[in-house]
Amino acid sequence: EVQLVESGGGLVQPGGSLRLSCAASGFTFSNYWMHWVRQAPGKGLVWVSRINSDGSSTSNADSVKGRFTISRDNAKNTLYLQMNSLRAEDTAVYYCTRASGSGWYALGYWGQGTLVTVSS
Amino acid sequence: DIQMTQSPSTLSASVGDRVTITCRASQSISDWLAWYQQKPGKAPKLLIYKASSLESGVPSRFSGSGSGTEFTLTISSLQPDDFATYYCQQYNSYWTFGQGTKVEIK
Repeated sequence: EVQLVESGGGLVQPGGSLRLSCAASGFTFSNYWMHWVRQAPGKGLVWVSRINSDGSSTSNADSVKGRFTISRDNAKNTLYLQMNSLRAEDTAVYYCTRASGSGWYALGYWGQGTLVTVSS
Repeated sequence: DIQMTQSPSTLSASVGDRVTITCRASQSISDWLAWYQQKPGKAPKLLIYKASSLESGVPSRFSGSGSGTEFTLTISSLQPDDFATYYCQQYNSYWTFGQGTKVEIK
């Protein structure tokens, strides 16, 4: 059974940093592209970042470029999101998601999400 | 950037109704479109991929159609478990979600 378990969320002040982790199990982690998607309270889904299977290629939404970095450790079956220079508008539930294949696929599996709150 | 626009934003319907949600892309995305269902406090669930392919385990009352810029999600006979918010998403060029359609009880 595919499982994605996020951790690392919490309350952080504006301008601060946070690193989210996503522990993956139940599949061969190194075979799949992985993504982060976020959802502000009461709002819709927003794609944030993606990373390819071996970690050599990443993409980010314009709203987080230069501030967020996605990475992965295939030996540890773990996905990360390093978030720097956090703003109030980054407050959201952050979901770790797995693509349905290696490449341009829909997002077939989702974690339960971790809440990040940016506030003073 | 490709923009995705869903309509309506909210839909009131009764159990047994046929329900249709529309999603429009700002430019052609071929059939690189997915539909997700989300219930309050839960993660989204993939229903449809590649515009019309049903994800494994999803009831056959859900169907998707369209290509290019116009797409629809149809629920043939609405069930109590289907009251939720539905999102379309393009994955032709990066990944963009529509704003969501809430299906509520009439």
